[in-house]
Amino acid sequence: GQQLNQSPQSMFIQEGEDVSMNCTSSSIFNTWLWYKQDPGEGPVLLIALYKAGELTSNGRLTAQFGITRKDSFLNISASIPSDVGIYFCAGRFDQFYFGTGTSLTVIP
Amino acid sequence: GAVVSQHPSRVICKSGTSVKIECRSLDFQATTMFWYRQFPKQSLMLMATSNEGSKATYEQGVEKDKFLINHASLTLSTLTVTSAHPEDSSFYICSATEVQNTEAFFGQGTRLTVV
Repeated sequence: GQQLNQSPQSMFIQEGEDVSMNCTSSSIFNTWLWYKQDPGEGPVLLIALYKAGELTSNGRLTAQFGITRKDSFLNISASIPSDVGIYFCAGRFDQFYFGTGTSLTVIP
Repeated sequence: GAVVSQHPSRVICKSGTSVKIECRSLDFQATTMFWYRQFPKQSLMLMATSNEGSKATYEQGVEKDKFLINHASLTLSTLTVTSAHPEDSSFYICSATEVQNTEAFFGQGTRLTVV
């Protein structure tokens, strides 16, 4: 099935730094979702976006639904060690399409 | 958020046997459930979509006779890997969504090892 272009593929950052990742698609979506997956676990929903231009925060996480409906970004401010994991974006139109994932490593 | 429970979390089986994985929505009615397969360090690959009371829709390349999906109730879907082979070893994850809800919630995943 279709996959979204997610970047960067991996990030190694110092604790306290901010993180930014994004997803782009050639198709428009009605919903953008951001998930975090820990090793050996299923993805956990972080933020859901429903309208073009929508900017939503969840604690240190902020995500935006792009105006064109073809992209979204996720920012994490003041990273901490427990932010380590793989982050996936997902777009929904008729079904869910997932990004390729961003592996985040936080160095204490 | 809504809770989706997947069982078992790990299973080891012999080649040629069948394995059943259950996916339950605990606090909502899941009209649609999705089954994914995930290889190490890769994204989720959709295998099939199941709607309660109807046959599952399989993605291209997924053998429906090998990966049997049943969605008999609004809270339970099962994936049965039949005649398992070592190449079927993988991480299988289900997700569920309500009809009015545009969010999908995931189970904890099942690590299948076929020996």
